[in-house]
Amino acid sequence: AQTVTQSQPEMSVQEAETVTLSCTYDTSENNYYLFWYKQPPSRQMILVIRQEAYKQQNATENRFSVNFQKAAKSFSLKISDSQLGDTAMYFCAFMKRGGNTPLVFGKGTRLSVIA
Amino acid sequence: EAGVAQSPRYKIIEKRQSVAFWCNPISGHATLYWYQQILGQGPKLLIQFQNNGVVDDSQLPKDRFSAERLKGVDSTLKIQPAKLEDSAVYLCASSLDLAGTDTQYFGPGTRLTVL
Repeated sequence: AQTVTQSQPEMSVQEAETVTLSCTYDTSENNYYLFWYKQPPSRQMILVIRQEAYKQQNATENRFSVNFQKAAKSFSLKISDSQLGDTAMYFCAFMKRGGNTPLVFGKGTRLSVIA
Repeated sequence: EAGVAQSPRYKIIEKRQSVAFWCNPISGHATLYWYQQILGQGPKLLIQFQNNGVVDDSQLPKDRFSAERLKGVDSTLKIQPAKLEDSAVYLCASSLDLAGTDTQYFGPGTRLTVL
């Protein structure tokens, strides 16, 4: 079974600064996907970024980028130029490739962006 | 494109009562998931449908929870009778059916409080 661990329950960052959220996972699978989802106080879970395990290049989406270290089973999220709207719960999630398998989530990191 | 729709958004019931939640996935999405998110935790899969068939219901407490997706489109999740520990947010998600490479898109969730 796969497990996802987010070791930082809460973090805060000043507006316009950079913050990195940590995630580690455990799996015996070789083909999988990793995701970061954002859940603002309104509760709608929104996809932030996705990484295919077979790709060595780290995924980037505007101000969001990941540092994917497959051997270390580490998948951190970097948010640059933090904005007040980035305040939310951030969940790291794992999905085995093939067959529309469910997501396995970590417990989340609550990020507060401070003006 | 319309997102995943869920209703109701909030529900408060007494223990031992029954409750039902409804989900309408994104048009054309064959796979539908129900997740339970207890406060302070990441979502956990309850049941997964592909079209109108159940793919995985191993984590569904079948003595009290049931779900159906009769026409392969919208879905209903029912709890009967509810227990205090069922208080949670119930999230519905959907994805296309393309060999397990698909991102899951989430609805806004239903927050259930059992008194």
